[in-house]
Amino acid sequence: DSGVTQTPKHLITATGQRVTLRCSPRSGDLSVYWYQQSLDQGLQFLIHYYNGEERAKGNILERFSAQQFPDLHSELNLSSLELGDSALYFCASSVRQVSGVWSGYTFGSGTRLTVV
Amino acid sequence: AQKITQTQPGMFVQEKEAVTLDCTYDTSDPSYGLFWYKQPSSGEMIFLIYQGSYDQQNATEGRYSLNFQKARKSANLVISASQLGDSAMYFCAMREGLWNRDDKIIFGKGTRLHILP
Repeated sequence: DSGVTQTPKHLITATGQRVTLRCSPRSGDLSVYWYQQSLDQGLQFLIHYYNGEERAKGNILERFSAQQFPDLHSELNLSSLELGDSALYFCASSVRQVSGVWSGYTFGSGTRLTVV
Repeated sequence: AQKITQTQPGMFVQEKEAVTLDCTYDTSDPSYGLFWYKQPSSGEMIFLIYQGSYDQQNATEGRYSLNFQKARKSANLVISASQLGDSAMYFCAMREGLWNRDDKIIFGKGTRLHILP
């Protein structure tokens, strides 16, 4: 168990619908990163939140949005879903030690989204 | 231009042999970190090893070692004495600007490793 919790594990929905993916980072981790893994695009960085603040944005579509709440869990909202949005969505968390050294990333088990 | 290049889409290796998975990277930032992750068929991403750009020695973690050649911008993963359970997809990844606030990891396309009994 990585300590990063993602729900749901599987999601099947129809085109045009909206879904919300949830991620709780490892205890003590302030950062949440979202990644999309599709067969043709590999692992693509979507967005990074740190302690509620957006820090970096990658190839995230306008139909997608994310936020990090005061309790540090994060939600990734995907709307107007298309067949091509079918993918494995990961979140990861990281933490910096007191010394400032950052100690790496831990991934959740992912949410497999299937759009039909 | 690709930041992380893994030139081996797939590899077949006999059990108990050593394996080298290739990775080259591209960055102009002097401060960066390199990772390897393993993704078995179950889908989870498992952290294997990390090498910082300022680390003097190559990183090792059990049967995994990272052959870091900075001048060549190469960060190959070496798995010694391969096991059937090593069959998986392996991703090389990089984080630029270790002290930046807006960090992210960039992944290569991956190498699928098959260990043969």
